[in-house]
Amino acid sequence: SSELTQDPAVSVALGQTVRITCQGDSLRNYYASWYQQKPGQAPLLVIHGKNNRPSGIPDRFSGSSSGNTASLTITGAQAEDEADYYCNSRRDSSGYHWVFGGGTKLTVL
Amino acid sequence: QVTLKESGPVLVKPTETLTLTCTVSGFSLSTPRMGVSWIRQPPGKALEWLGSIFSNDEKSYSTSLKSRLTISKDTSKSQVVLTMTNMDPVDTATYYCVRIDYYNYVYYFDYWGQGTLVSVSS
Repeated sequence: SSELTQDPAVSVALGQTVRITCQGDSLRNYYASWYQQKPGQAPLLVIHGKNNRPSGIPDRFSGSSSGNTASLTITGAQAEDEADYYCNSRRDSSGYHWVFGGGTKLTVL
Repeated sequence: QVTLKESGPVLVKPTETLTLTCTVSGFSLSTPRMGVSWIRQPPGKALEWLGSIFSNDEKSYSTSLKSRLTISKDTSKSQVVLTMTNMDPVDTATYYCVRIDYYNYVYYFDYWGQGTLVSVSS
């Protein structure tokens, strides 16, 4: 089982806003990173740190955090955003160990 | 242009040792605070972090797999090697080689290899 918990599936109407959440104790101390994975492809980093988007990631993707919960928000979801989304953070301060959430399947209706 | 590419066997037998090589380009394995991780994904399942190696040769391993894993690097060849002993069918997965970068006190996985599917079967 993951030490980061995500809802297995979320849906959103085309053009609407959706929030994907990730919960875990490690998130009280470490920011989450978020990865998008489409079928048959490697994951793609979409958000890291407080709210940083790599070059080429649309600004409709944003990240936030509060307490033990991190969120990925897609404002104005597009059909191409349909994918699995994974959160990830360092596990604790005892070394460089990372954990992933179980993933959220986003469906754009 | 940063790239990572995994290579190794597509099929291993139970109890055998898996050796995967990651060849990187576009960055150096000696760049401070940069590293490479191995992450795997069983078919239809979630991502699982296996271990990491940093530019200063510091290594870390998944607690549950630590006894079976070894990660090493050859900076001159721009290669990182993962060794996993005593393979089992539950280890069947796509294995990814991933760059670790650092910004503003946060490490993250910014570039991923294409992945290599390793099946464990007799």
